[in-house]
Amino acid sequence: GAGVSQSPSNKVTEKGKDVELRCDPISGHTALYWYRQSLGQGLEFLIYFQGNSAPDKSGLPSDRFSAERTGGSVSTLTIQRTQQEDSAVYLCASSFFGENIQYFGAGTRLSVL
Amino acid sequence: QKEVEQNSGPLSVPEGAIASLNCTYSDRVSQSFFWYRQYSGKSPELIMSIYSNGDKEDGRFTAQLNKASQYVSLLIRDSQPSDSATYLCAVNKGTGNQFYFGTGTSLTVIP
Repeated sequence: GAGVSQSPSNKVTEKGKDVELRCDPISGHTALYWYRQSLGQGLEFLIYFQGNSAPDKSGLPSDRFSAERTGGSVSTLTIQRTQQEDSAVYLCASSFFGENIQYFGAGTRLSVL
Repeated sequence: QKEVEQNSGPLSVPEGAIASLNCTYSDRVSQSFFWYRQYSGKSPELIMSIYSNGDKEDGRFTAQLNKASQYVSLLIRDSQPSDSATYLCAVNKGTGNQFYFGTGTSLTVIP
């Protein structure tokens, strides 16, 4: 079946603009993660969704970052008033509930000018 | 102190040699350990998971876990140029939803 799909693959925006990044997980996967990977850095956890439970937002770096997951499937990560330090690759991963194996999408490369 | 630490490398080995990648973690309650491979410009892909002390082998890959010393390693036997990538170590504490990733070790296998 199809893997985790992320769009857009690349996004260039101006400082101060809002951006939305989309993640479509593998069908049937109830767990969904967002990570940020800056150049030369490891993956930084941002947020976790599991089914209809309240999301774990403990990794969001500021209140400019938010995420939604509609219908337990597609998720959107929104960054408001983007800053240059937000430039990174944003990765989404999904998994079956209770399974530790995450499957990653190809990521969205965000560049804030 | 970082949750997961890896030597960033780069690590270079000749084709056919054994590549040894190491990772240490700070929290003794950590329960699950993972190695991901990430090719340049691509997303991470899981290659090994290990949950108990000792060795776990899968083809040319062997993961080793030592909870007493809080380290996990990955051995790649008969290294191939196609193994050239960044290898990320990840840890899950089992008490929450967070996976903690190291910064990765860059491996180059020289033909």
